[in-house]
Amino acid sequence: DVKVTQSSRYLVKRTGEKVFLECVQDMDHENMFWYRQDPGLGLRLIYFSYDVKMKEKGDIPEGYSVSREKKERFSLILESASTNQTSMYLCASSLGLVGTKGNTIYFGEGSWLTVV
Amino acid sequence: GEDVEQSLFLSVREGDSSVINCTYTDSSSTYLYWYKQEPGAGLQLLTYIFSNMDMKQDQRLTVLLNKKDKHLSLRIADTQTGDSAIYFCALKRGRRALTFGSGTRLQVQP
Repeated sequence: DVKVTQSSRYLVKRTGEKVFLECVQDMDHENMFWYRQDPGLGLRLIYFSYDVKMKEKGDIPEGYSVSREKKERFSLILESASTNQTSMYLCASSLGLVGTKGNTIYFGEGSWLTVV
Repeated sequence: GEDVEQSLFLSVREGDSSVINCTYTDSSSTYLYWYKQEPGAGLQLLTYIFSNMDMKQDQRLTVLLNKKDKHLSLRIADTQTGDSAIYFCALKRGRRALTFGSGTRLQVQP
């Protein structure tokens, strides 16, 4: 089974702090994603990466950056946390192009971030 | 970009059928997906349908696709309390990512 592990389930940070959310996958997947989940808004894509050191902006990249130095690890960075970044963050990974032979995305358990 | 819409809430009684609906704007997605999210957990793939199919059945789950109306539905037969969760439909976004709907929270009453 694919395993996507997010290192922190619950975090509380102060406004202005730099925050790192870490994610590791164990299936040699080339693609990794960070989504944000808010009630009534569903999942919104922040950034994704299709290879080491490669990244693409999603729909809401403002206020975030990412790092992928190794294939199995994808980090989401909040340079200066703000209260409107309080949310559930979901990391995911996938192999190849989505929609080919039913390829899909596998999710971690999520990280609940509260910014106070 | 792709718009994917779902109603936010559905309540059914245990043993009844549940039907969760999804409408979308972009019809280029080869596969359309349903994910389930249980409380406090990440999303799990529930089922998917290939875009040239109208229906797919998998045990208690039936997926219906109406390409003309850009409408996708998930029917759960004999709904159980363990089916209480949030259900998301998802379509391809570009070549590698998925776009998700807002999610439908299914509440099953005993």
